[in-house]
Amino acid sequence: DQQVKQNSPSLSVQEGRISILNCDYTNSMFDYFLWYKKYPAEGPTFLISISSIKDKNEDGRFTVFLNKSAKHLSLHIVPSQPGDSAVYFCAATPYGGSQGNLIFGKGTKLSVKP
Amino acid sequence: DAGVIQSPRHEVTEMGQEVTLRCKPISGHDYLFWYRQTMMRGLELLIYFNNNVPIDDSGMPEDRFSAKMPNASFSTLKIQPSEPRDSAVYFCASRRTPSYGYTFGSGTRLTVV
Repeated sequence: DQQVKQNSPSLSVQEGRISILNCDYTNSMFDYFLWYKKYPAEGPTFLISISSIKDKNEDGRFTVFLNKSAKHLSLHIVPSQPGDSAVYFCAATPYGGSQGNLIFGKGTKLSVKP
Repeated sequence: DAGVIQSPRHEVTEMGQEVTLRCKPISGHDYLFWYRQTMMRGLELLIYFNNNVPIDDSGMPEDRFSAKMPNASFSTLKIQPSEPRDSAVYFCASRRTPSYGYTFGSGTRLTVV
């Protein structure tokens, strides 16, 4: 049973518009969440994270929102650029991430069209 | 910093053969993880080590898979015998406590024919 779900395998957005990638989780012990970005033929790279004590974290064009009651988080990219085209993985971990591993979703492939 | 180094980048082998994937983590990182990526299952954890000791290998699919970390700078993932369903991209990642994030290698694309 998947503990981290990304229900949209793909998303297509026009350059300059907002991209919204969604992620749901089932384990209430998860308290730290991360987004990774992956280009073809490369490993995933860290993008942005959020602790469960916050509901929003912003880094430039990237903002992650966390709704603990709904067990839902989202990544907003504004404005979207063609270079943002990649697969985005949502990940979660319990215990503040100090031990153990990250649980990843299956990923969402974002295509940003010029 | 050279990052996490995996070898080989690509491996094509015949069913039944032994395959060994290699990983060099970032110096000073105390955790090492092996993940497998497939279309069906996404990124799934196979095994992870803390200070060279295997902590959780519950993700290793079968006894055909084994992993070792003889020292802090090297780990191997071995498949013997290999099967076509093992075809996937295998990633190694490392991190240093108390950081949350991993640094991934570029992966090994394994094709078993």
